[in-house]
Amino acid sequence: DTAVSQTPKYLVTQMGNDKSIKCEQNLGHDTMYWYKQDSKKFLKIMFSYNNKELIINETVPNRFSPKSPDKAHLNLHINSLELGDSAVYFCASSQGPSDTQYFGPGTRLTVL
Amino acid sequence: AQSVTQLDSQVPVFEEAPVELRCNYSSSVSVYLFWYVQYPNQGLQLLLKYLSGSTLVKGINGFEAEFNKSQTSFHLRKPSVHISDTAEYFCAVTRGTGGFKTIFGAGTRLFVKA
Repeated sequence: DTAVSQTPKYLVTQMGNDKSIKCEQNLGHDTMYWYKQDSKKFLKIMFSYNNKELIINETVPNRFSPKSPDKAHLNLHINSLELGDSAVYFCASSQGPSDTQYFGPGTRLTVL
Repeated sequence: AQSVTQLDSQVPVFEEAPVELRCNYSSSVSVYLFWYVQYPNQGLQLLLKYLSGSTLVKGINGFEAEFNKSQTSFHLRKPSVHISDTAEYFCAVTRGTGGFKTIFGAGTRLFVKA
């Protein structure tokens, strides 16, 4: 059983399109995250939810909108995709905000 | 605010040799420290963590790290590496008790050669 799963694994799309990435965790954790990893492997937090409430919202363009329908799911919707959005996006979860994080396998987004 | 510096972007080493990956952090409050590993085309997974107590922490796959408060360091070590240890290693810090954000270092690429 996969602890943190993401779909899709790969996403190739044109500039200007809108796309979503879904994340689900079956660990019973209260906190979920979205990270962006660039081509140099630098990992930057984008958002974090604790018990469905947004607790971290880093300086991210408002084209990115997270949604947490329940504690087990955190989805990421991106509007008007740009070339610079190309990256690997990781979802993660933890029991609490400062606990060990469990990462999903990543979604490689390529914007053409 | 916390910050993390991984002093080496790449560390090449021969199989069965020892390795040390260096990590320094900056914080004005107590912290929790983590090392994560990322194998190619995978997500990150925890190697080990320091929350409190003994400053020598043992993790999976034979790795260990030592928390040094005076030098604000948390270096990762393994006495004998394998080819399969080739991966990206990330040091991370979060504020202990009430911290909401984990800050990751830029990563160190460990490349084990035969």
